[in-house]
Amino acid sequence: NAGVTQTPKFRILKIGQSMTLQCTQDMNHNYMYWYRQDPGMGLKLIYYSVGAGITDKGEVPNGYNVSRSTTEDFPLRLELAAPSQTSVYFCASSYAYNEQFFGPGTRLTVL
Amino acid sequence: AQTVTQSQPEMSVQEAETVTLSCTYDTSESDYYLFWYKQPPSRQMILVIRQEAYKQQNATENRFSVNFQKAAKSFSLKISDSQLGDAAMYFCAYPGNEKLTFGTGTRLTIIP
Repeated sequence: NAGVTQTPKFRILKIGQSMTLQCTQDMNHNYMYWYRQDPGMGLKLIYYSVGAGITDKGEVPNGYNVSRSTTEDFPLRLELAAPSQTSVYFCASSYAYNEQFFGPGTRLTVL
Repeated sequence: AQTVTQSQPEMSVQEAETVTLSCTYDTSESDYYLFWYKQPPSRQMILVIRQEAYKQQNATENRFSVNFQKAAKSFSLKISDSQLGDAAMYFCAYPGNEKLTFGTGTRLTIIP
């Protein structure tokens, strides 16, 4: 099992550009999550999904979009990147309310 | 709403000594899980230990153990025989309302 994989590992964007952060899990988990972590801070929930076709907003959803067409994949879309979106992004998955398994993170810089 | 509080932003401990990190939480549920995660400089989030609220026995994983006091809603992490590799941010977490609520973290420094 690869667990939770994220691509890319690093990315630099210019202001106004768009990109998609990919997340895939092979554990057949129904729950998936996207977090952002700013320097020296904890994790903030952006969006989450409790199953294919179902998504919901977390604490900081503005500027992001998600979709969940399959159990395995949960991409995060950034539209019109802004410097405030410079952060490390983590994807995670879990089986119901159990412990979450995290991907290695994507470090995004918006200049 | 569930909240998780870690009141110690930073802690330090001498190598080989024992340190305890504090966590309190608020919930109206009676059956739930609690977790401690470790985030080393690599940024990878690693599950350290989990506790099931209906179990009275405190969870233990090698040098890591918890002191779970359900009535007080307290869930502290004890690290025995601290090692240099234990240096990291530690986050307490409570799963509720379909998502994990994390504390703000405690940065643990190990003094050689």
